Amino acid sequence: QSALTQPASVSGSPGQSITISCTGTSSDVGRYNYVSWYQQHPGKAPKLMIYEVTNRPSGVSNRFSGSKSGNTASLTISGLQAEDEADYYCSSYTSSSTYVFGTGTKVTVL
Amino acid sequence: QLQLQESGPGLVKPSETLSLTCTVSGGSISSGTYFWGWIRQPPGKGLDWIGSISYDGRSYYNPSLKSRVTISVDTSKNQFSLNLSSVTAADTAVHYCARRRGSYVEYWGQGTLVTVSS
Repeated sequence: QSALTQPASVSGSPGQSITISCTGTSSDVGRYNYVSWYQQHPGKAPKLMIYEVTNRPSGVSNRFSGSKSGNTASLTISGLQAEDEADYYCSSYTSSSTYVFGTGTKVTVL
Repeated sequence: QLQLQESGPGLVKPSETLSLTCTVSGGSISSGTYFWGWIRQPPGKGLDWIGSISYDGRSYYNPSLKSRVTISVDTSKNQFSLNLSSVTAADTAVHYCARRRGSYVEYWGQGTLVTVSS
């Protein structure tokens, strides 16, 4: 299985909104509403930010939102803050009953 | 609060077997419909799903690793384990144990670096 495709980097100024894309295929992202997003700060374990495309776990800021269209899922961070600077990974369930992660996106707050 | 802790050798020789154990505290590995699994991250690279197992032994593996991977669960010790055989330098990575709820990982261990080198 191939990793889902994400842009290597995305940047924005404080207060702005940015969107990270996650492109898969009709066998994973396009077939199931089982896309999740994780935030990872350097040297730390990933943290769940969005699950099942649009759902936000308790404790995660409402500045984070998710969506999906066809084979591409997206994570939007609004009101960008310095603490949002991190790596972000998407993940999807696949038709082979396995899971696949995205290639990862480094978010830089200018 | 559920906690997961990885343990095992930090250095493994090429062609040998990488073995790690994840100890679960703050909850029973037998409760609920969760899957317990392993995810790895080579230094400076992205996340790679290794596989998952349910408390009753149903397992699923990354197709690219399937021939070398075994994940097992020991409910009496509240632990689950990873064995990866015939390792090479490409298997050097931080290994995370995790609890999956449905399609997403809600709990992660802190991660442990395993280096493959002679």
